[in-house]
Amino acid sequence: DVKVTQSSRYLVKRTGEKVFLECVQDMDHENMFWYRQDPGLGLRLIYFSYDVKMKEKGDIPEGYSVSREKKERFSLILESASTNQTSMYLCASSLIRGNQPQHFGDGTRLSIL
Amino acid sequence: QKEVEQNSGPLSVPEGAIASLNCTYSDRVSQSFFWYRQYSGKSPELIMSIYSNGDKEDGRFTAQLNKASQYVSLLIRDSQPSDSATYLCAVGLAGGYQKVTFGTGTKLQVIP
Repeated sequence: DVKVTQSSRYLVKRTGEKVFLECVQDMDHENMFWYRQDPGLGLRLIYFSYDVKMKEKGDIPEGYSVSREKKERFSLILESASTNQTSMYLCASSLIRGNQPQHFGDGTRLSIL
Repeated sequence: QKEVEQNSGPLSVPEGAIASLNCTYSDRVSQSFFWYRQYSGKSPELIMSIYSNGDKEDGRFTAQLNKASQYVSLLIRDSQPSDSATYLCAVGLAGGYQKVTFGTGTKLQVIP
């Protein structure tokens, strides 16, 4: 089974802090994704990566950056956290070929105070 | 116009009935279609993938795809209270990198 592991289930940070969310997958997937999920807005793509050191902006990249130094690890960085970044953050991974589905981690519920 | 549309619900069905969840999409060249189940406070869990027109069955779940009508549905037979969740439709866009667009989900309530 695919295992996508996110470093924290719950996280509380202060406005202005730099925040790191980590995601690791164990299935040698090329693609990795970061989403945020808010009530009524559904899942929105922040960034994705299809290879080491490669990244592409999603629909809402403002205020975020990402890092992919190893194939299995994809980090989301909030450069200066703001209260409107309070959300559920979900990491996913998939194979790059064959229209394969994405598999999600358990999510990180992030609160910015 | 939203790219992937679902009725937000809630859809209430009695235990043992068939639940029918619907999804429409706007991109005619979409290649892949997925249904995810998401319990409250949890992450989405893949239930079904479907790529060709017609029906695909897996246990109590049947996915139906009609590309001409740009419509995909999920039927849940013999609905159980444990099926109560939000069901997300996801559509794989043409092109690379396996990006998908998610609908906002339909909340299903199975009444015992």
